[in-house]
Amino acid sequence: ETGVTQSPTHLIKTRGQQVTLRCSSQSGHNTVSWYQQALGQGPQFIFQYYREEENGRGNFPPRFSGLQFPNYSSELNVNALELDDSALYLCASSSGLVAYNEQFFGPGTRLTVL
Amino acid sequence: KNEVEQSPQNLTAQEGEFITINCSYSVGISALHWLQQHPGGGIVSLFMLSSGKKKHGRLIATINIQEKHSSLHITASHPRDSAVYICAVRGARGGSQGNLIFGKGTKLSVKP
Repeated sequence: ETGVTQSPTHLIKTRGQQVTLRCSSQSGHNTVSWYQQALGQGPQFIFQYYREEENGRGNFPPRFSGLQFPNYSSELNVNALELDDSALYLCASSSGLVAYNEQFFGPGTRLTVL
Repeated sequence: KNEVEQSPQNLTAQEGEFITINCSYSVGISALHWLQQHPGGGIVSLFMLSSGKKKHGRLIATINIQEKHSSLHITASHPRDSAVYICAVRGARGGSQGNLIFGKGTKLSVKP
């Protein structure tokens, strides 16, 4: 059983560019959640995908968008990058939407916007 | 005021000491998580609990639903326990299952 993987591990972009981050969920998991963690802060919920549909969204602007594929892997896209988008982006997978299902986190992608 | 507050923010201990990290929350919850984050970012789930107490090795987590408070204890601490410990809660109603609300974390450093 493979764990949650994310790519790339590090990324440097400039203001105004677009970025795509990828997450492969743990085997058997159909739910992926994305979080943004600024330096020195706790993670903030961006959105969640369940069976290829968005199933909830945090307080992030529309330039943050996502996709989930039939194999339940997921992408996070950020358009028109801003300096404040510099952060660690974490994805977590779980099985289904039951509140008590544990989430398993990936190692994160560290994005730097210059 | 944050919905999830942790204390202390930073903690330095000597190897072997008993450590307690506290978490208070202001919302109704369905579950509370304790997570460990090492430098570089990877997060590992330590505990998920909704009542009582759980133990795994040298780690113990307790929760008091009435007082909206949880503690994470580490017995016989070791330098490899050095990490950021994060408390996160899932609301009792509304929102998606993924909508964990996180504390800012407690940075623990255990000196040999």
